[in-house]
Amino acid sequence: NAGVTQTPKFRVLKTGQSMTLLCAQDMNHEYMYWYRQDPGMGLRLIHYSVGEGTTAKGEVPDGYNVSRLKKQNFLLGLESAAPSQTSVYFCASSSTDRFQQGTDTQYFGPGTRLTVL
Amino acid sequence: GNSVTQMEGPVTLSEEAFLTINCTYTATGYPSLFWYVQYPGEGLQLLLKATKADDKGSNKGFEATYRKETTSFHLEKGSVQVSDSAVYFCALSDSGGGNKLTFGTGTQLKVEL
Repeated sequence: NAGVTQTPKFRVLKTGQSMTLLCAQDMNHEYMYWYRQDPGMGLRLIHYSVGEGTTAKGEVPDGYNVSRLKKQNFLLGLESAAPSQTSVYFCASSSTDRFQQGTDTQYFGPGTRLTVL
Repeated sequence: GNSVTQMEGPVTLSEEAFLTINCTYTATGYPSLFWYVQYPGEGLQLLLKATKADDKGSNKGFEATYRKETTSFHLEKGSVQVSDSAVYFCALSDSGGGNKLTFGTGTQLKVEL
């Protein structure tokens, strides 16, 4: 099992450019999440999904869009990148099976480092 | 709303020293509490968790006890190693569904020989 994978690992954009970050998980998890990590601020939730075809806003959703067309994939889009979106982006997934131990544990990908110039 | 407060780092210790990283929380309901660890250049991974008051989570020599009366979940290890150098995040689960987590700001630990 690869767990949670993210593509790409690094990216540099110019202000106004668009891009999509891809997250894939092979654990058959229902729930998936996108976070951003900034120095001194911990991880903040951008958007999340509780199942295929669903998405919901997290703490800092502005400037981002997401899609969950397939259960195993969760895409994060930046339509018009801004320097304030320079960050490290993490995807995570978790199971919904309440009868399994560790059901609310989130499993994280390795991250994508994005720089917006 | 929910919040998690961690002691600020960086924390620098000598190998075999005792470690405490303080974590306190504010939450509605009865959240689960977590410690995640992030090694350099990697994503976060679960270190330990506790799901109800007075539960003790433990893993790799680390432990933390869910204290409802003091709303705390302090991380401890009796003897740290250089390989424990990492950033440690305290987090709590959102009782509103979706298994959402609220994270603290993280505490960087550096262990020296």
